[in-house]
Amino acid sequence: AQSVTQPDIHITVSEGASLELRCNYSYGATPYLFWYVQSPGQGLQLLLKYFSGDTLVQGIKGFEAEFKRSQSSFNLRKPSVHWSDAAEYFCAVGSWGSGGGADGLTFGKGTHLIIQP
Amino acid sequence: GAVVSQHPSWVICKSGTSVKIECRSLDFQATTMFWYRQFPKQSLMLMATSNEGSKATYEQGVEKDKFLINHASLTLSTLTVTSAHPEDSSFYICSATGLYNEQFFGPGTRLTVL
Repeated sequence: AQSVTQPDIHITVSEGASLELRCNYSYGATPYLFWYVQSPGQGLQLLLKYFSGDTLVQGIKGFEAEFKRSQSSFNLRKPSVHWSDAAEYFCAVGSWGSGGGADGLTFGKGTHLIIQP
Repeated sequence: GAVVSQHPSWVICKSGTSVKIECRSLDFQATTMFWYRQFPKQSLMLMATSNEGSKATYEQGVEKDKFLINHASLTLSTLTVTSAHPEDSSFYICSATGLYNEQFFGPGTRLTVL
């Protein structure tokens, strides 16, 4: 069974500083990896995804993530955070079903990002 | 594009009653929709996969008679929580798959059972 581990429950970063959120996955085949952000009262927003190809993936809002198969990791990074980045971040792994369509996602427990002024 | 809506966004009901939650893909057709449940300050847990025109597939431990799912059209899936009890109080989130099988999430429905 696939699983996702986000080892950091909370992370506090000063505004303007760099950010890295960790994500490790367990999956037997090539994983399909996602990062979502959830703000209070809002739905999940897709930041970026990795299906195949270039292991460094660029997303929205200045985020990027790097897939490292040898480390089973898909860490999210941003060079300079803004106060508006404060939110809950979820890493997720997906797979393709036997019918060719996507299966439901398996989510990590999330990392709560706090931005200090 | 790729907007998913849910209705209602918030519902309170009495114990023993049933509640229906709608999930709609507003600007695209989705053959597959998913239903997730999120407890406070916890992650999303997949409850079931809903395919248009067929029976839903439930994850292990999810009672199919408790959580009825209907996917009547390519833009609408409904989740009915039958005979709701306080332990069913949670945040229910749906997602719909797009053209490239990526999932777009609705804003969620907060259910409180008194």
